[in-house]
Amino acid sequence: EAGVTQFPSHSVIEKGQTVTLRCDPISGHDNLYWYRRVMGKEIKFLLHFVKESKQDESGMPNNRFLAERTGGTYSTLKVQPAELEDSGVYFCASSQEMGSSYNEQFFGPGTRLTVL
Amino acid sequence: GQNIDQPTEMTATEGAIVQINCTYQTSGFNGLFWYQQHAGEAPTFLSYNVLDGLEEKGRFSSFLSRSKGYSYLLLKELQMKDSASYLCAVTRRWGYSTLTFGKGTMLLVSP
Repeated sequence: EAGVTQFPSHSVIEKGQTVTLRCDPISGHDNLYWYRRVMGKEIKFLLHFVKESKQDESGMPNNRFLAERTGGTYSTLKVQPAELEDSGVYFCASSQEMGSSYNEQFFGPGTRLTVL
Repeated sequence: GQNIDQPTEMTATEGAIVQINCTYQTSGFNGLFWYQQHAGEAPTFLSYNVLDGLEEKGRFSSFLSRSKGYSYLLLKELQMKDSASYLCAVTRRWGYSTLTFGKGTMLLVSP
């Protein structure tokens, strides 16, 4: 079974440009999460999809970040325009539907974003 | 708010035992996860505790005390490949499992 995949693995852009990150969750996983780790800090939650719907987007930093999950499959996270403080590693995770005793999240390898 | 503390770095010798502690303060606690992350790779699940006590899984064990807001991850018979970052994370709401992470403990295993 394929794990969570993310594309690209690395992205280097200039301040003011736009970048779109993609996440393909494990097939059949209804839940998809985005997290971010900036240098020296802990991994922080950004938002959570249940199928195609945003369940919780309380962690999104500001309106320069837009996440979508068309058809409840893969998800994209667009940053427009990018700022220096957006640099970090963006992780995607997925898990099965609610109702299990615990909801183990499977993480992708992350996209390392560098904004110059 | 939430606060999760774990040591920044630890070192140990191959074959030894190491205990990585994690303390947390959170409302609506609903479980604690430990993840292992090698450099440049995805965090991978190690354990989950929601009730007090010890969960053992091979060389790894995890303990939880809800009243003390305390957990530890115990690694036995350390191997070089155990050198990694160990992340403590808590969940607050049943089912949603949004994870709140500590900064992670970098473990270096030396020969």
